[in-house]
Amino acid sequence: GENVEQHPSTLSVQEGDSAVIKCTYSDSASNYFPWYKQELGKRPQLIIDIRSNVGEKKDQRIAVTLNKTAKHFSLHITETQPEDSAVYFCAASTGTYKYIFGTGTRLKVLA
Amino acid sequence: SAVISQKPSRDICQRGTSLTIQCQVDSQVTMMFWYRQQPGQSLTLIATANQGSEATYESGFVIDKFPISRPNLTFSTLTVSNMSPEDSSIYLCSGRVDPDYRYTFGSGTRLTVV
Repeated sequence: GENVEQHPSTLSVQEGDSAVIKCTYSDSASNYFPWYKQELGKRPQLIIDIRSNVGEKKDQRIAVTLNKTAKHFSLHITETQPEDSAVYFCAASTGTYKYIFGTGTRLKVLA
Repeated sequence: SAVISQKPSRDICQRGTSLTIQCQVDSQVTMMFWYRQQPGQSLTLIATANQGSEATYESGFVIDKFPISRPNLTFSTLTVSNMSPEDSSIYLCSGRVDPDYRYTFGSGTRLTVV
């Protein structure tokens, strides 16, 4: 079945620096890749997503890139702020619409 | 996107008992899913809740342990049966509105079994 690997598991950056989180998926039929942010004790919130017919998508300080050939996609956060501190999950989905989540990355932005 | 209300938000239960978690959506969602998230871990899919038919369970999850109902397109329940301490976790429902691929999550139920 589908498997999604996510790295790193923890990431500390200085405020204002960039953060990059990487995911690799196994099922070449995967066609949709969302990223969720989960703050402590809260529900996961969608922050950005990308479909397989697009290589890159940007929304203000957040961007996602997709390399279908290599089967990996990445989240880029620029000009990080303390409120970016949270756990980030990538996911992959096929036409069944089930999400398979990565293992999560705990991002800590140091002021 | 849809808004999902989930209850209870938390509960402490005795081993051997059962707990039913409810999710109510403010609009009709084509698909609903139930996830488990153990502390500090990722989200693991338990099952897809199918409207008007039996849920589709993922490997490692069975209907006798996690019976699911979905009587209509806005409501679903998950029951955690015959609970043991290993069932202590956060349980989340999620829903998807056609034709959007995007999920919305409920607020989660933090279950502690003692």
